[in-house]
Amino acid sequence: EDKVVQSPLSLVVHEGDTVTLNCSYEVTNFRSLLWYKQEKKAPTFLFMLTSSGIEKKSGRLSSILDKKELFSILNITATQTGDSAVYLCAVCYGGATNKLIFGTGTLLAVQP
Amino acid sequence: EAQVTQNPRYLITVTGKKLTVTCSQNMNHEYMSWYRQDPGLGLRQIYYSMNVEVTDKGDVPEGYKVSRKEKRNFPLILESPSPNQTSLYFCASSLARSAYEQYFGPGTRLTVT
Repeated sequence: EDKVVQSPLSLVVHEGDTVTLNCSYEVTNFRSLLWYKQEKKAPTFLFMLTSSGIEKKSGRLSSILDKKELFSILNITATQTGDSAVYLCAVCYGGATNKLIFGTGTLLAVQP
Repeated sequence: EAQVTQNPRYLITVTGKKLTVTCSQNMNHEYMSWYRQDPGLGLRQIYYSMNVEVTDKGDVPEGYKVSRKEKRNFPLILESPSPNQTSLYFCASSLARSAYEQYFGPGTRLTVT
C-alpha cells in the first residue's frame, strides 16, 4: 500500500528554536516529494525534491531527500511565531499516472 | 492575478441533492486535481486531470465525478451527496503534466445533512 508518514504529529517550540520535521514514504514509481505549509487556509508550496542529497533552501527553511532510505526532512531554523502551521509532505508517484499522496501533516506551534 | 478559484466557498445541502463545485485557473496549467481534507486523514486526492479530456481516479473517487472540457475548468460533481462527503474540498493546478508545484484554491466547505 502506498503511504506517506510524517512525524512528529505535533510539536511545540519557542521562538528561536530549530526544528526538524520528518517524512517517510513507500510508493511505487516515485517521481517527486513536495513540502507545503498550511495555515488556516489552502496549502502553499515550499519545496519540490526529486534528487537525493541536494538541499533545497529558502530563507530559514531547508529540505533534503534521501531516496535510498525513502525519507525527507524539513528544517526550520530560528523559528518565529509566523512559522506556526501544519506542514504537509506529499509524494508524486506512478508510471503512466501522476497521483499525489499526502501525509497527515505535522502541526507546529511556535510560542513567543 | 494568477489564481485558482472555487465556487461556492461554503455550501450546506441535503442528502441526494446533486451539486457541482466549480474550479477555474487562469495560469494555463495542464494538471488539475481535487482533494478532500478531513481531520486525522489529511488531504486525499479524489480525481486529477493531466490535460483536456484526460481524467483519472485518485485515492477516494467513489461518489464523485469530474470533467475537463476546457483547460481552465475542472468541476467536481456530486450526483447524490451523502453525509460522509461532508468535508473541506480543495482544487489545485500545476504547470507541468504532473503534480509538481501545485497552486491551491481557497477551499470549499461542504456540509451534507
